[in-house]
Amino acid sequence: SQQGEEDPQALSIQEGENATMNCSYKTSINNLQWYRQNSGRGLVHLILIRSNEREKHSGRLRVTLDTSKKSSSLLITASRAADTASYFCATDAGGNFNKFYFGSGTKLNVKP
Amino acid sequence: DTEVTQTPKHLVMGMTNKKSLKCEQHMGHRAMYWYKQKAKKPPELMFVYSYEKLSINESVPSRFSPECPNSSLLNLHLHALQPEDSALYLCASSPLTRQGAGGYTFGSGTRLTVV
Repeated sequence: SQQGEEDPQALSIQEGENATMNCSYKTSINNLQWYRQNSGRGLVHLILIRSNEREKHSGRLRVTLDTSKKSSSLLITASRAADTASYFCATDAGGNFNKFYFGSGTKLNVKP
Repeated sequence: DTEVTQTPKHLVMGMTNKKSLKCEQHMGHRAMYWYKQKAKKPPELMFVYSYEKLSINESVPSRFSPECPNSSLLNLHLHALQPEDSALYLCASSPLTRQGAGGYTFGSGTRLTVV
């Protein structure tokens, strides 16, 4: 069963704009991850944030985690056409470190 | 080597066939996973191996049979599949730490069509 839900389901922006995607989950977690998927192929790991962390950065990516609201957000700054992809959050099932469930995903389209 | 290699990339099989999907990694990761992904849906967890032992089976039908011969290899044996089993099958691996699984490295998947 899916642990997370993401919104929006689809997002279309112009190159250079920022993109924000949100993920909400249902049960307590140890870790939350964000992934990117191009054209239905393999997923690429972007960032892992642990439950005791509130914010992490990696290049143009910024992830926040609010465990009290059971939510996370992924911000992509200064977006590029190459950022066009589906983005998924994945959460573990709290007590089980290995059991990651993926959210429903946000399909991002960055127009050149 | 920072990749997970999956073979074959595409597979078409009949409902009476037996086939196997293969996955290989040489990153020293001790957790390996099979996920199934239908079009426009998120990946769904099928199996988890930790230290070469099956630790999680997400109530997957017995027509899917996983195998982990060693710490680098993961197989998924397929038998008597149904057309609704057509999907992208993704293998992933991750390190195991005291804080839980690290980030996954995914293979590019096997696109399976059952006819």
